[in-house]
Amino acid sequence: QVQLQESGPGLVKPSQTLSLTCSVSDGSISTGDYYWSWIRQPPGKGLEWIGYIYYFSGNTDYHPSLQSRVTISVDTSEIQFSLKLTSVTAADTAVYYCARGRYYYETSGFYYDSWGQGTLVTVSS
Amino acid sequence: AIQMTQSPSSLSASVGDRVTITCRASHDIGNNLGWYQQKPGKAPLVLIYAAVSLQSGVPSRFSGSGSGTDFTLTISSLQPEDFATYYCLQDYNYPLTFGGGTKVEI
Repeated sequence: QVQLQESGPGLVKPSQTLSLTCSVSDGSISTGDYYWSWIRQPPGKGLEWIGYIYYFSGNTDYHPSLQSRVTISVDTSEIQFSLKLTSVTAADTAVYYCARGRYYYETSGFYYDSWGQGTLVTVSS
Repeated sequence: AIQMTQSPSSLSASVGDRVTITCRASHDIGNNLGWYQQKPGKAPLVLIYAAVSLQSGVPSRFSGSGSGTDFTLTISSLQPEDFATYYCLQDYNYPLTFGGGTKVEI
């Protein structure tokens, strides 16, 4: 059973860059047909999809509201992938989850079959 | 972006009750819909994908139906461990979008 684990600072100052890493226990970043994603949840609120990276093509897609500030990449180690969000404000305070999207052929979609435990990032001076 | 409207936002139920949660998409999304369960302080857990497919290991009391714009998650007999918040997620196009959530309470 794959395990995902987020890591990174829990406190970021306004206008700075939020950087998180997700470690994937079974090395499936480079071996499987998965969409490696980030999803966040502001305290007491619902879930918001941030974006994904597809390892084999390097394709990424981001939420339009974050597109100018966000980058998702796979580390050269190929056992981690990362999130960078620049120019953060208090509105970026949330629990950030990394997740593995498993492709299904029936409708060419994917669903999230594995998640990290989540990490709270607070934006405050 | 496709808007996902989930209802109700909360409901009260008892153990053994049949519970139905609905999700409506602002555009036709075919069968590209999943249902997720989230308990406090925990990551979401997938229950249903492709609108009707039960994820491996998920109890058979959970079922999904619908296509196009209208979808339903049904819990046939609510168990104590089912008290949680449920979200739908469309994976038809980007950005993926979640419903607002349904909190199932005692």
